[in-house]
Amino acid sequence: DAMVIQNPRYQVTQFGKPVTLSCSQTLNHNVMYWYQQKSSQAPKLLFHYYDKDFNNEADTPDNFQSRRPNTSFCFLDIRSPGLGDTAMYLCATSRGIGGNTEAFFGQGTRLTVV
Amino acid sequence: AQTVTQSQPEMSVQEAETVTLSCTYDTSESNYYLFWYKQPPSRQMILVIRQEAYKQQNATENRFSVNFQKAAKSFSLKISDSQLGDTAMYFCAFMTQGGSEKLVFGKGTKLTVNP
Repeated sequence: DAMVIQNPRYQVTQFGKPVTLSCSQTLNHNVMYWYQQKSSQAPKLLFHYYDKDFNNEADTPDNFQSRRPNTSFCFLDIRSPGLGDTAMYLCATSRGIGGNTEAFFGQGTRLTVV
Repeated sequence: AQTVTQSQPEMSVQEAETVTLSCTYDTSESNYYLFWYKQPPSRQMILVIRQEAYKQQNATENRFSVNFQKAAKSFSLKISDSQLGDTAMYFCAFMTQGGSEKLVFGKGTKLTVNP
């Protein structure tokens, strides 16, 4: 059974048209992460939530925003996508309270900006 | 800031042989976790093995084992009896503990197991 679910799996959007990616989890984990992964590269952390505490990476463009309305859901909003934002976007969760923690990943959303 | 370095962009190994992937990291933290994740082509990222920094004993999971050298900030992955299904990108990752639980990745090593 899928524990971290990302929707949609594939998304095509036009240059400059806002887009929202969704992530939900059934693990009741405290921490949720968003990563951007371009072809053949490492996942790049955009931001993460520890409960309601938002942690933004210094080099994440302002174009990228996130919302976490409750424990189960987290959204990635790209306000004005550029061609360079074409990538796989990965959501992950972790328990966050120490002791045998690990991150569980969703299957990703492949975003194409045209 | 924590950084993770994987110095081998690509590696290959013959089926049934042993291969070691390298990883070094830099941190001022004393409590943290280290991970190796596997990402097969077009498939989901999955955990291979985990090491708690406070544990001196190296972690082992079946054919996968690590060599954790805390003083040297080194964390290598050894895959024994390599199988075709081990072909994937392997990412070394670091997670802080007791704070924001930030998880960062190295650039990855593309491993190909040849028949």
